Amino acid sequence: AQTVTQSQPEMSVQEAETVTLSCTYDTSESDYYLFWYKQPPSRQMILVIRQEAYKQQNATENRFSVNFQKAAKSFSLKISDSQLGDAAMYFCAYRSGNNNDMRFGAGTRLTVKP
Amino acid sequence: NAGVTQTPKFQVLKTGQSMTLQCAQDMNHNSMYWYRQDPGMGLRLIYYSASEGTTDKGEVPNGYNVSRLNKREFSLRLESAAPSQTSVYFCASSVEGFNTEAFFGQGTRLTVV
Repeated sequence: AQTVTQSQPEMSVQEAETVTLSCTYDTSESDYYLFWYKQPPSRQMILVIRQEAYKQQNATENRFSVNFQKAAKSFSLKISDSQLGDAAMYFCAYRSGNNNDMRFGAGTRLTVKP
Repeated sequence: NAGVTQTPKFQVLKTGQSMTLQCAQDMNHNSMYWYRQDPGMGLRLIYYSASEGTTDKGEVPNGYNVSRLNKREFSLRLESAAPSQTSVYFCASSVEGFNTEAFFGQGTRLTVV
């Protein structure tokens, strides 16, 4: 079964600075999809960004971008110009291209300091 | 838009009691999921259903059963609740197509005493 590892339980960043959250995964599949979700205190899960494994170009969404290293099975999230509203739990997720199995990492709690 | 609706939002059970968590989505999604969220462990997949009439085990299926009643509804049943099942439970759904995101309900906080 695929596993997703987030090695940073907690991270902090100064407002307006840049922070990178790490994620690695283990899979034998060649077709899969990767996601970053944000979970604020409201508990709602919000999609931040997605990446298809077959695409070499790294995905970007405004201040959020990923560094996808397929050979290394690494999928990090970079948040630029951090804002107070970015404070939340961030989860990395893997979705199989062969079935609908979707797995999450343990999460990284991001604190943004004013 | 209702999206994914879970009921109840909170529940306290005594050890050995049974209950069913309900989930319904109004987005015509084929795939539905049940996760549990525990501190330091992220979201762990309990069961998922790729389409109406099919269900598959995830990482932590023991102690749970599911029913995909129809395309809209996917319920999770605890037959004999244990304190280890104290958790926040999330239901999610997604369309066919693997690059699509999963949409989540608001979660159910379950405490087993």
